[in-house]
Amino acid sequence: SYELTQSPSVSVSPGQTASIACSGDNLANKHACWYQQRPGQSPVLVIYQDNKRPSGIPERFSGSNSGNTATLTISGTQAMDEADYYCQAWDSTTVAFGGGTKLTVL
Amino acid sequence: EVQLVESGGGLVQPGGSLRLSCAASGFTFSRHAMSWVRQAPGKGLEWVSSINNSGGKTYYADLVKGRFTISRDQFKNTVFLQVNSLRAEDTAVYYCARDGGSCGGDCNPYWYFDLWGRGALVTVSS
Repeated sequence: SYELTQSPSVSVSPGQTASIACSGDNLANKHACWYQQRPGQSPVLVIYQDNKRPSGIPERFSGSNSGNTATLTISGTQAMDEADYYCQAWDSTTVAFGGGTKLTVL
Repeated sequence: EVQLVESGGGLVQPGGSLRLSCAASGFTFSRHAMSWVRQAPGKGLEWVSSINNSGGKTYYADLVKGRFTISRDQFKNTVFLQVNSLRAEDTAVYYCARDGGSCGGDCNPYWYFDLWGRGALVTVSS
């Protein structure tokens, strides 16, 4: 089965840039996406196909994918961005999620 | 309103069965693959199963293969997950999710999920 690895936690100061990484074997050859999940809520898609933003997602969210690592970047982080973030990719009819990264805005 | 509403969750004994339903509204159901993703209490997201837009192709995580069955009713705009031989480790919130790709005919999923329901809690305990 395909595995994606994320750091358990990332901290950032308000207004600064947060980077959340996701690693997997040859991840650049698969389409990575990212979900935000606030406490008690359902996940929300924030990035798909490596770097595309769904309608309604703020421009401060961006994504990249190269080699074995996909990265979610949040520019000008706001308090409302504090949440769990999950990466996800597909490999040979198996969907893999990363373990999630808790973003704390201090 | 574009939404997914799950139902059918509850408390079930080990070895028991449930049928989860997900009613879709506000979009052309037959143009989207659908999936189930679960989240155990305090844990991360785990993909369970998917079905393509026509219902002709189904996909399962190894952990549930042979115990869970996904299906869809195009007339009722509903996707189902029949869960059998339940174990304590199946305890989770089960989310229904819409595939982000849209197509006619018999298509493969795009494998990202752009719309999620609120989830249905399944608790397996004696």
